[in-house]
Amino acid sequence: KQEVTQIPAALSVPEGENLVLNCSFTDSAIYNLQWFRQDPGKGLTSLLLIQSSQREQTSGRLNASLDKSSGRSTLYIAASQPGDSATYLCAGDPYNYGQNFVFGPGTRLSVLP
Amino acid sequence: DTGVSQDPRHKITKRGQNVTFRCDPISEHNRLYWYRQTLGQGPEFLTYFQNEAQLEKSRLLSDRFSAERPKGSFSTLEIQRTEQGDSAMYLCASSSRDRDVDEQFFGPGTRLTVL
Repeated sequence: KQEVTQIPAALSVPEGENLVLNCSFTDSAIYNLQWFRQDPGKGLTSLLLIQSSQREQTSGRLNASLDKSSGRSTLYIAASQPGDSATYLCAGDPYNYGQNFVFGPGTRLSVLP
Repeated sequence: DTGVSQDPRHKITKRGQNVTFRCDPISEHNRLYWYRQTLGQGPEFLTYFQNEAQLEKSRLLSDRFSAERPKGSFSTLEIQRTEQGDSAMYLCASSSRDRDVDEQFFGPGTRLTVL
């Protein structure tokens, strides 16, 4: 059974810092990988999608990469802002069928002004 | 608003009552998913529709749970004889395979509290 670990579980940083969130799958066969943001009590907002033919994606201050040989992904946030405070979840799909999407528990990020 | 919508946003019920949640996906999306999320955990897959066909159900979906997508558009998730353990956030997502990739877009969720 595919299991997902996210490290760290929680992170508190001062505004302006660059930071890295980690995601690791027990089965490295990942077809698609998505990073999401979730604000307290809210749904998930898709941040980045890494498709099967890709190794990384960038959007603004966010960069996500996927190492398929190890089943590990990182989300890099540059110049963090208080508005980045949220829980960040990664999810992987081994078959591109969607229904096999497996989520990590999330990293709770607090960016202090 | 062209995103995924869910109704209601919050539901408080007493143990033993039945509840029904609705999800309206992005209009051109043919795939619809239901997930359950408890505090501090990532969402767990419950069930999946392609158009009106329910193609997969998780073992988490006991006999008390039923989902429908009668016309391939909106979907409902019903929980019968609710238990306190059903308290969670119920999330709906939709996707389309038009780009040959299954990128899921989520709704705001329905938070269920069973007293």
